[in-house]
Amino acid sequence: DGGITQSPKYLFRKEGQNVTLSCEQNLNHDAMYWYRQDPGQGLRLIYYSQIVNDFQKGDIAEGYSVSREKKESFPLTVTSAQKNPTAFYLCARLGEQYFGPGTRLTVT
Amino acid sequence: DAKTTQPNSMESNEEEPVHLPCNHSTISGTDYIHWYRQLPSQGPEYVIHGLTSNVNNRMASLAIAEDRKSSTLILHRATLRDAAVYYCIPTGGTSYGKLTFGQGTILTVHP
Repeated sequence: DGGITQSPKYLFRKEGQNVTLSCEQNLNHDAMYWYRQDPGQGLRLIYYSQIVNDFQKGDIAEGYSVSREKKESFPLTVTSAQKNPTAFYLCARLGEQYFGPGTRLTVT
Repeated sequence: DAKTTQPNSMESNEEEPVHLPCNHSTISGTDYIHWYRQLPSQGPEYVIHGLTSNVNNRMASLAIAEDRKSSTLILHRATLRDAAVYYCIPTGGTSYGKLTFGQGTILTVHP
């Protein structure tokens, strides 16, 4: 997994609830990324952070929020404002970018 | 970001070489060409990357055209475990670290 841990693997939520996905890395890398993947599609960048306490929007940031209070942690919150939250979410770190195992979120 | 064109799908037989092409005609001079692959229900896996020269590693070889407008990922002996979606991604310069994934090529390997 290249030092990236994501939990849980599967997550189910009711519509209207915010949900936070965990991403932890143990290799002291500065840059971390969140991607979303829909069935049969490539990955799309949601947010990325290159340094603690700083992050930038990716291509599809609307309805999502992140924080980077510690170097090893980069949690993603899927808010109720995200119109189609059901997807496969992947966290990655830089350096021949390694991806975590992903969290499959289903919102009903 | 440079646009890429890859075949939607390719097929190969086990233990035969596979050449996966990618066109990236708008690549900038500072972009590296990265290749990733993704197995079903898993995150993408780094395969190889290069700038100008051909590159080899334990997984594959990368042949880059002299004008850098295209590249070819070479799997020397395909195995069933190589069946995946392969993505070609130019990245670097101001977009360093931000990978833009296209549709990729679905590789099917027959026993």
